[in-house]
Parts: sequence; structure tokens; C-alpha cells
Amino acid sequence: QKEVEQNSGPLSVPEGAIASLNCTYSDRGSQSFFWYRQYSGKSPELIMFIYSNGDKEDGRFTAQLNKASQYVSLLIRDSQPSDSATYLCAVTPEGPMGYGSARQLTFGSGTQLTVLP
Amino acid sequence: GAVVSQHPSWVICKSGTSVKIECRSLDFQATTMFWYRQFPKQSLMLMATSNEGSKATYEQGVEKDKFLINHASLTLSTLTVTSAHPEDSSFYICSATGPTNTGELFFGEGSRLTVL
Repeated sequence: QKEVEQNSGPLSVPEGAIASLNCTYSDRGSQSFFWYRQYSGKSPELIMFIYSNGDKEDGRFTAQLNKASQYVSLLIRDSQPSDSATYLCAVTPEGPMGYGSARQLTFGSGTQLTVLP
Repeated sequence: GAVVSQHPSWVICKSGTSVKIECRSLDFQATTMFWYRQFPKQSLMLMATSNEGSKATYEQGVEKDKFLINHASLTLSTLTVTSAHPEDSSFYICSATGPTNTGELFFGEGSRLTVL
């Protein structure tokens, strides 16, 4: 069974600190990796996606992918109280992505992050 | 960007009644949509994959006759919870892959169902 594992938390960091969220996956052939943020009572919203090994930065967010270790992480710099939410890691299965093709994402259970003012 | 809209955003119904939730892709065509259910403090659970013009594919443990899915057009999928019971109370979310090959899922706003 293909799995995506995350620490459920809660993870608490002080405002201004770096929050580090981790995710491991079992399907070695997984192609694409996504981080979603979900506020309580709301649907998930995409923060970042990453395909290639290494780091990808977008503003205060950095996604890190290590396919050899089957590990993807999200760093949030200068954490703000508004970053307090549940962060979901999601993975697509092995295989090429055709244009407009639909793939099920396998979601982790999410990590609850609280940024303390 | 790709926008997915869900309606209603919340609904309260009596036990034994049926409730229909609509999911629309507003600015793109979605041949495939996904329906998720989320209980409080739990992650998303995929219920079924909705395919335009054909039968939905249900995940193991999801009752096909209870959760009816219809995907009659390229922009609309509906989920009907039949003979709802209090244990069906949950947050139902639909999603679709946008018109690119990024694999990103675009989510509707979600529908919170409360069965009394």
C-alpha cells in the first residue's frame, strides 16, 4: 500500500522562527510532490509543488526533495501566526503526466502547526 | 487559474433524507473530479473518482448506493448522500486537476453536512 507519512504534531514555533515540516513516502516511483495548507473548516490550498531533487523557494517557503531518501520537507521562514494551520503533504504515483490528465493524490495525515505570537 | 466551486457550503438535514452537493469547474473542463471526505482533525479520505460520462470509481469501503456520484458534463459533478444518517455528518470536498500537466489538484470550498 502506498503511504505518505507525516508527524501529526502539533508543532509549535515562536513567531519569526523557522518551521520545518517533514514527509516521507513509500512509492519510490512517485513523480510529483505537493504541500497544501488547510485552515480549520476550510478546504486545502496549494502552497508549493516540487518535482526535482533539491530545493525550491517561493517567498518564505522552501520545499526540499530527496528522492533517494524518499523524503520531502517544507520550511517556513519568519513564521507568522497566520501560518498556523494544518499542512498536508501529497504525492502523485509513478508514471508520466499527460497534459490535463488527472491523478489521484495520496495525502499524508497532516501536521498541525501553531505559530505563537 | 483553475477555479472549482462547490455548493452548498453547508447543509443541515434530517436523518433519512437525501442531500445533493454540486461541484463545478468554472474556467476549465474537468473530465475527472475527486470527492473527499474529512472528519474533524483527520486527513482527507478519498471517496471516489468521478469520470465524465461514465461510472464513478469508488474507494474500498465506500458504499456506492449511499454516495451517488453523477458526472454528466465536463464542468459538473454531483455527490448525493442518500438516506443520510448522523454518522454521515462530515466535510465533503471535491477537487479536479487543472488544465495543465502539473498534477496539482484544485479544491472546491467544501460542503459541511450535518445530519440531525
